[in-house]
Amino acid sequence: GAGVSQSPSNKVTEKGKDVELRCDPISGHTALYWYRQSLGQGLEFLIYFQGNSAPDKSGLPSDRFSAERTGGSVSTLTIQRTQQEDSAVYLCASSLGDYGTDTQYFGPGTRLTVL
Amino acid sequence: QKEVEQNSGPLSVPEGAIASLNCTYSDRVSQSFFWYRQYSGKSPELIMSIYSNGDKEDGRFTAQLNKASQYVSLLIRDSQPSDSATYLCAAQTDSWGKLQFGAGTQVVVTP
Repeated sequence: GAGVSQSPSNKVTEKGKDVELRCDPISGHTALYWYRQSLGQGLEFLIYFQGNSAPDKSGLPSDRFSAERTGGSVSTLTIQRTQQEDSAVYLCASSLGDYGTDTQYFGPGTRLTVL
Repeated sequence: QKEVEQNSGPLSVPEGAIASLNCTYSDRVSQSFFWYRQYSGKSPELIMSIYSNGDKEDGRFTAQLNKASQYVSLLIRDSQPSDSATYLCAAQTDSWGKLQFGAGTQVVVTP
């Protein structure tokens, strides 16, 4: 079946502009996660959704970052007034939502470059 | 202190040999552990999960977990050039399923 999809695959923007990144999870997966991976670094957790609710937003680095999920499916991560330090690959993952033994499947990521 | 730690490598392994990757974690409540493989420019791909103490084997891969020592390892037997990648260790640290990742170990298999 179809995996996690993300769009756009690449985004180049100017400092100060807003960007929206989209994630389409695997059908039937109730849990959705956003991570960020900076060059040569491991993955940094940003936010978690269970259905349309976000019980854990602890990883969002500043109030310029927000995310929403509608219909228990597609999620959008918005970064306002982008800064150069926001440049990274933004990865989305989804899972069935079975706590304890859940497996997260990752999308291909969106590479964001802020000039 | 990082919650999940790995040697960054690179770990150079001759083709056909065993690659041994190590990972330690600091949060004792972590219950589930995962190894992901990430090729350059690609997203992480799950290769192993382990939840109980002991060994778990899947093909050429064996994961080992020791919760008392807070230690997870991955063995890759009969290493192939296609195994050259960065291997990420992850611990599930809360009931929401959030994963804490190590920085990854780069493995280079030389023909």
